[in-house]
Amino acid sequence: GQQVMQIPQYQHVQEGEDFTTYCNSSTTLSNIQWYKQRPGGHPVFLIQLVKSGEVKKQKRLTFQFGEAKKNSSLHITATQTTDVGTYFCAGPGTGGFKTIFGAGTRLFVKA
Amino acid sequence: SAVISQKPSRDICQRGTSLTIQCQVDSQVTMMFWYRQQPGQSLTLIATANQGSEATYESGFVIDKFPISRPNLTFSTLTVSNMSPEDSSIYLCSVEMAGGSNEQFFGPGTRLTVL
Repeated sequence: GQQVMQIPQYQHVQEGEDFTTYCNSSTTLSNIQWYKQRPGGHPVFLIQLVKSGEVKKQKRLTFQFGEAKKNSSLHITATQTTDVGTYFCAGPGTGGFKTIFGAGTRLFVKA
Repeated sequence: SAVISQKPSRDICQRGTSLTIQCQVDSQVTMMFWYRQQPGQSLTLIATANQGSEATYESGFVIDKFPISRPNLTFSTLTVSNMSPEDSSIYLCSVEMAGGSNEQFFGPGTRLTVL
């Protein structure tokens, strides 16, 4: 069945270092979304990418959608302690209205 | 955007009992979903709550165990029936607004512990 894979599972960084999480889908996606979940919180929508090769920025966060629309990445420049949490990518499931979430990358930032 | 509330926020239940979780949205939405999230894990879709008709369940989830109601466009309930410790998890409802974007808004979740 359709899968959305994410790596790494965990990442420990020193504050100020960069961080990247990668997402790969087994099928071509019409769009991809990214969510952030703080410890003890619920997932919060960050962004949606739709176009092949699309790049979007939100302050220190850069999101990319691959040319083949099967992979995506989230890059954080100069991490801060407020970036701590789990980052999920998600894409539309086939044959319905559901969304398939990746396993998530948990980011730890050491001050 | 949408503001979503869930009740209860947490509960501790005895095995064999049932718990009904409520999800209320501050505006009418087309799509409502129920997810389960084990600690440190990803989100697993239980079902899509359909207004006025039976929910659409994902593989591994059945109506007898997780009955869902959606009487209108702003409210849904999920019941976890005949609970066992394996049902201990966080249950989240989410909604998707009309308009083409797949952006989902999540409720704060219900943390369930089954003893």
